[in-house]
Amino acid sequence: DAGVIQSPRHEVTEMGQEVTLRCKPISGHNSLFWYRQTMMRGLELLIYFNNNVPIDDSGMPEDRFSAKMPNASFSTLKIQPSEPRDSAVYFCASSSPSSTEAFFGQGTRLTVV
Amino acid sequence: DAKTTQPPSMDCAEGRAANLPCNHSTISGNEYVYWYRQIHSQGPQYIIHGLKNNETNEMASLIITEDRKSSTLILPHATLRDTAVYYCIVRVGNYGQNFVFGPGTRLSVLP
Repeated sequence: DAGVIQSPRHEVTEMGQEVTLRCKPISGHNSLFWYRQTMMRGLELLIYFNNNVPIDDSGMPEDRFSAKMPNASFSTLKIQPSEPRDSAVYFCASSSPSSTEAFFGQGTRLTVV
Repeated sequence: DAKTTQPPSMDCAEGRAANLPCNHSTISGNEYVYWYRQIHSQGPQYIIHGLKNNETNEMASLIITEDRKSSTLILPHATLRDTAVYYCIVRVGNYGQNFVFGPGTRLSVLP
């Protein structure tokens, strides 16, 4: 298995633009997590899904952020409009019912200028 | 909020054992101890987890005290590639529960 796949690996955008981050979880995994990492705040959970249903989105910063999981093999995290303070590395992770550990992707480094 | 306390940094000589401590004094009976590490610019990597018995795999050993209020991750023969931030996490052992990361311990393996 190729592991959790995130795209793009790097994204540079201008303030006010819409940004969409993508994640393909490991096949067969039923839980999907979106995290954000900054120097100041470390790794923060934004939202997680079980069986494509959002379970906890209390970590989503504000209405500018939205996440979807239309099927078991794909999820998106959208920021509209983007702001410089959204600059961070965004990680996606997935886990399966048969093993409780989560596997992380390589992340998307977002820079908003 | 993270339920664990770890030293912010540690050094270890290459080839020696690295012992990383973690305090989790408020751990509940159904919570497991998980360890992850993050090498610079990469996603966190799962290392090991346990409930109350000591565990060992190809990467590391996990020693959990009898009262389960603390644990130690042991890398038996540290290499330069083990330099990373190590996170200790307590979590209910059901799938679908989120992982709460604290600041972790920055381990530097020195030549």
